Amino acid sequence: DTGVSQNPRHKITKRGQNVTFRCDPISEHNRLYWYRQTLGQGPEFLTYFQNEAQLEKSRLLSDRFSAERPKGSFSTLEIQRTEQGDSAMYLCASSLDDRGHEQFFGPGTRLTVL
Amino acid sequence: GEDVEQSLFLSVREGDSSVINCTYTDSSSTYLYWYKQEPGAGLQLLTYIFSNMDMKQDQRLTVLLNKKDKHLSLRIADTQTGDSAIYFCAERQGGNNNDMRFGAGTRLTVKP
Repeated sequence: DTGVSQNPRHKITKRGQNVTFRCDPISEHNRLYWYRQTLGQGPEFLTYFQNEAQLEKSRLLSDRFSAERPKGSFSTLEIQRTEQGDSAMYLCASSLDDRGHEQFFGPGTRLTVL
Repeated sequence: GEDVEQSLFLSVREGDSSVINCTYTDSSSTYLYWYKQEPGAGLQLLTYIFSNMDMKQDQRLTVLLNKKDKHLSLRIADTQTGDSAIYFCAERQGGNNNDMRFGAGTRLTVKP
């Protein structure tokens, strides 16, 4: 399967714990995006990388959230001191530089904070 | 208010046409998209249209764009039970702006 992959698919954690999610984009794609999707809503943009550079961050991305893409390939999204309001599906997408409008999404990581 | 709005539900009979509507508010939107999401799966890009176009057809899918009214629609011809899913409309300004904004999604139910 050469699509976007995300791990884990599901994560249940207790409030106050830290969690980290991983996204592996399509191999030749140099743009990588993170979105959050809550029940009954469309995805909301969180942040975007071009290669290893984080170029854009939404105001939704609080100080407890940090994303990295150290080698310009896979990316991690960490949430520190999780809150119940962080419960959502976290989606990753990737695209080619010159076709940035065609974003291909992974299956998502569903986070439940108890 | 919402930047992108869609009706939440649509129900059709198998074989009929489905029309899913979307309105957006940002007149600088350059790209408009339709994504499909099936239960437990990620979003699948169905089709997209540039703002300088008013129609795009791709097999059973027809996208119509009325830029003056900021209205986008997706028509699915000969709707099948496998088309049952949530359909998201999204828009993006383009250029250096990569912030894609989605509607809340329209749940399409196809009855046999």
